[in-house]
Amino acid sequence: NAGVTQTPKFQVLKTGQSMTLQCAQDMNHEYMSWYRQDPGMGLRLIHYSVGAGITDQGEVPNGYNVSRSTTEDFPLRLLSAAPSQTSVYFCASRPFGGVGDTQYFGPGTRLTVL
Amino acid sequence: AQKVTQAQTEISVVEKEDVTLDCVYETRDTTYYLFWYKQPPSGELVFLIRRNSFDEQNEISGRYSWNFQKSTSSFNFTITASQVVDSAVYFCALSEDTGNQFYFGTGTSLTVIP
Repeated sequence: NAGVTQTPKFQVLKTGQSMTLQCAQDMNHEYMSWYRQDPGMGLRLIHYSVGAGITDQGEVPNGYNVSRSTTEDFPLRLLSAAPSQTSVYFCASRPFGGVGDTQYFGPGTRLTVL
Repeated sequence: AQKVTQAQTEISVVEKEDVTLDCVYETRDTTYYLFWYKQPPSGELVFLIRRNSFDEQNEISGRYSWNFQKSTSSFNFTITASQVVDSAVYFCALSEDTGNQFYFGTGTSLTVIP
């Protein structure tokens, strides 16, 4: 199993550009989530999904869109990037029924918006 | 309000010293789960331990030990005889009964000086 994979690892955008951060998992996990990590802020939940076709907002959803068309993939879209979205983004997954299970995290994507 | 508080932003210890990382949480749920993750300089998130709210037994794993006290809403992490490889950022996290949202603390950066 590859676990949770994220692409790209690094990305530089200009303000106003759009892009999609990719996340995929091969563990057949229903639950997937996106976090951003900023210095001194820990990890904050952006969006999550409990299965294909079902998504919901987390703590900091503004400026981000998600969709879940398959169990495996959970892309995060930035429609018009802003410098405030400079951050490290982590995708994670776990079985939906495993409320107490740990989440499995991807390696992260470091995004810089100029 | 922060659901997970890690008051220690940075800690430095000399190798072989013991160090305790504090974590205080807040929840109204009777069923919840607490986690510790390690983030080494390479950036990935490494799962260390999970504890559910009904299990207050302390746990020891090698040089690592965890002290869970519901009376003080704390889940502290102790590293005995610290080593340079323990240098990392450590995160405490909380998952409540529905499990749809994970709440991370802001992390404690530990530096072990040789």
